[in-house]
Order: sequence, then C-alpha cells, then structure tokens
Amino acid sequence: GQQLNQSPQSMFIQEGEDVSMNCTSSSIFNTWLWYKQDPGEGPVLLIALYKAGELTSNGRLTAQFGITRKDSFLNISASIPSDVGIYFCAGPPGGSGTYKYIFGTGTRLKVLA
Amino acid sequence: NAGVMQNPRHLVRRRGQEARLRCSPMKGHSHVYWYRQLPEEGLKFMVYLQKENIIDESGMPKERFSAEFPKEGPSILRIQQVVRGDSAAYFCASSPTGSDGYTFGSGTRLTVV
Repeated sequence: GQQLNQSPQSMFIQEGEDVSMNCTSSSIFNTWLWYKQDPGEGPVLLIALYKAGELTSNGRLTAQFGITRKDSFLNISASIPSDVGIYFCAGPPGGSGTYKYIFGTGTRLKVLA
Repeated sequence: NAGVMQNPRHLVRRRGQEARLRCSPMKGHSHVYWYRQLPEEGLKFMVYLQKENIIDESGMPKERFSAEFPKEGPSILRIQQVVRGDSAAYFCASSPTGSDGYTFGSGTRLTVV
C-alpha cells in the first residue's frame, strides 16, 4: 500500500536550534498536512499545504510542498522544550477521496534544555 | 466550544469481550472518521461516516469490527471478541464537510489482556 516515509525517525536537539524534517512518498499527493502529537493525545494540525511549491509558515514553523508533489518539508526555528513530540506528515494521495489520509511514520523530537 | 470528545480515554478488556468506543464530533460537524494507531506507528484510516451512513469502510478489518453514526447520539466503534492484536489507540476525527481538514479527539487507548 501507499506509504509516507519520514526522516529522521528521531532527533535530539538543543533548545534554540533549528530543526528540519522531511516526508517522501512513492506517489503524488494533492495536499500535505503536518501534525504534532503529544504523548497521550490526538494529533493536532500545524500546517496544511495545497499547491506544489507552496511555502507556508505558522509562527516558528515553516513547511513546503515539494515541486514533484512527492515530498514535503517541515522546519522549526529556535526550538523550545514544548516542541517535544511526534511530528507526522499526512495527506490524501492523488486519486483517492480527499477525506482519507495516509500518515507517515513520524519524527520523534526531543529538545534538551 | 468543545472539541471532538472521545470516551472512555482508557479501556481494558479481556480477550473475547466486546469493546465500545464512543465519539461525539464537534458541534456542527456531521462527518466522522476513525483511525487506529499501533504503538510506534502512524495513524491508519479505518472508516468514514456521515449521519446514519457509512461512506467508506475500506480500512476496517472484515470481521469483528463495526461502526455506526446514528441520527442521534455519538458515533460508536464496536470491536467484538477482542484479541491482543486489537490493543491500540483509536482516534476519532470530525469535519463540517467531507473535504475539509479535520480535528482529532484525544483517543481511546484499548488494552486487551
């Protein structure tokens, strides 16, 4: 089945550092979504991308929709301890219903104060 | 302005028992989605429902699992004769239409002993 691969799988960073993570697919996506999941909670939507090449920011977060439509990137600037959590990319693959999301494998972020 | 409400938050069942997971969507949302998350994995789509209708159940196991969203009351995900492999976090999400990004609840963590 379709799969979204995220890298890195996990990372430890110092507070104040910038963080980059990416998500790749073997097939085209029409929408890319980035979610954050805290322990014991559901995913919370951070950024939604709808157009190839689109670059969107939400506070310290910036995400890009890859030109090939098969990848997306998330950057977090000046990380803080509350950035700890699991970051998932997700989206409805091209050709499927817009409601049916595939989720990536997740990037686990740990911030050292 | 409550979000998506799921209960119970934690559920323990013995093998062979039934599990009932409830989800009340956000006010004004008539589209409900259920996802399952196994430990250390991303979320996987199970089923999409509108009031009184199952729209897409392509992610539901063929046996023992069923879902409903009645005219009145919450959506219910029902798992009959649970097995250890059913242990997972089950998340419900809702949206006002079938093509918007949706909001997740905090999940029900099912443990089968």
